[in-house]
Amino acid sequence: DQQVKQNSPSLSVQEGRISILNCDYTNSMFDYFLWYKKYPAEGPTFLISISSIKDKNEDGRFTVFLNKSAKHLSLHIVPSQPGDSAVYFCAALTGGGADGLTFGKGTHLIIQP
Amino acid sequence: EAGVAQSPRYKIIEKRQSVAFWCNPISGHATLYWYQQILGQGPKLLIQFQNNGVVDDSQLPKDRFSAERLKGVDSTLKIQPAKLEDSAVYLCASSKLIVTSNEQFFGPGTRLTVL
Repeated sequence: DQQVKQNSPSLSVQEGRISILNCDYTNSMFDYFLWYKKYPAEGPTFLISISSIKDKNEDGRFTVFLNKSAKHLSLHIVPSQPGDSAVYFCAALTGGGADGLTFGKGTHLIIQP
Repeated sequence: EAGVAQSPRYKIIEKRQSVAFWCNPISGHATLYWYQQILGQGPKLLIQFQNNGVVDDSQLPKDRFSAERLKGVDSTLKIQPAKLEDSAVYLCASSKLIVTSNEQFFGPGTRLTVL
């Protein structure tokens, strides 16, 4: 039972354009969401996060939007750069993080020149 | 600041053999996690330690998997005996505290192939 779903296995975007990665969740107990970026042969690295009490968090080129009623979040990257090509994982946790992170399957973002 | 260290980076064994992985977390990080990432899937939590105590091991297949963190610093994960379906990348992560804004720092992982 996938509690965190990333329904697009891959996404191709032209350099300079906006990349939008989507994530849906089913567990209403999740109250903190994180995006991780992963290059081949490396561990995931933290990118950006959002608490459930917010609907938007911005950090440079990266913005995460949260729609609690729809149980949906998205990561926007503007403008997209070649170095953004990687696998992006959406992850969630409950209050206190006692359960560890629950990850989606990931979306492979490819930035085309 | 040194990152999370893991060894070995790659391991190939035959089914029914034993294997052990080692993790050294970031200095001062009290919480340590082991995740299993099967090809095409996201990482799945196996076990979580707070210092040297187990917080959550509900998804650890305890008939064959074991983990310890004896002195509250580095940790080992063991599989005995290994099965074909254990082929995966085993990721270790650490964080400062169990708090809501939990940012976990991941090591490079150990890629296990079971033949």
